[in-house]
Amino acid sequence: GAVVSQHPSRVICKSGTSVKIECRSLDFQATTMFWYRQFPKQSLMLMATSNEGSKATYEQGVEKDKFLINHASLTLSTLTVTSAHPEDSSFYICSALRLRSTDTEAFFGQGTRLTVV
Amino acid sequence: AQTVTQSQPEMSVQEAETVTLSCTYDTSENNYYLFWYKQPPSRQMILVIRQEAYKQQNATENRFSVNFQKAAKSFSLKISDSQLGDTAMYFCAFRSSYTGTASKLTFGTGTRLQVTL
Repeated sequence: GAVVSQHPSRVICKSGTSVKIECRSLDFQATTMFWYRQFPKQSLMLMATSNEGSKATYEQGVEKDKFLINHASLTLSTLTVTSAHPEDSSFYICSALRLRSTDTEAFFGQGTRLTVV
Repeated sequence: AQTVTQSQPEMSVQEAETVTLSCTYDTSENNYYLFWYKQPPSRQMILVIRQEAYKQQNATENRFSVNFQKAAKSFSLKISDSQLGDTAMYFCAFRSSYTGTASKLTFGTGTRLQVTL
C-alpha cells in the first residue's frame, strides 16, 4: 500500500518557538494533503487542506498565521506551528490523497505528538 | 455541512464474539463515500472498510462487514470473531464524491473498542 511519512513523531519545544512538521508521500504524488489535530481521546479535527502550488484552505477557527502550511512539491507538505504555546500541545496527523482510476484514496502519516513546555 | 455521529463512546466484546459499532450521518448529497478507520494505541490511522453510496451491496473485508442503510443514513460496522488485536478506537468517516478540497474526511467522535479474553 501507499506510504505517507510524517516527521518528527515526537517533539518537545519551548513556548515561543516554532516547530515544523513534515508530511511526505513516499511512493505517489499528492496534489492534496490534509492536516488534522487530535486531542486526547477525541476525534480528528481538520485544520486545513494543503494544495500543491497554491495557498492552503483553512477551516473556520484555525489561525492561518499560527499554523503555516506550505505544499512545496507533489510529495511534501509542511505544517509550521509558530510561536508555540502550551495550548498548542496536541497530536497532529497528516493525510495525502492518491488518485485512483475513478476516485481518490487517503493515506495517513504516523502522527506527531507536540508538547510545548 | 456533513455530520457524522457515533453514539457509543465505548464498547467491550469477548474474544471470538461479534460486535457491531453504530454510525449515523447527515448529508444532502446523493453520492458519497463512507469509511471505518481503526486507530490502535500506536495512533496510526488504518482503513478498515469503505462503502460507496451508489452501491447497494454492503462492503465486506474478511471479518469486517458493514450494514449500509442509505435511506436511514446509517452505516454500522460488524466485527466477527473478534481478536485482541481489534482493540482500538474506531472512527466512522464521510467523504463527498466531489474532488479537490471537498475530498476531506469528516470523522465521527469515535468508539473505543476493548476486546477481552
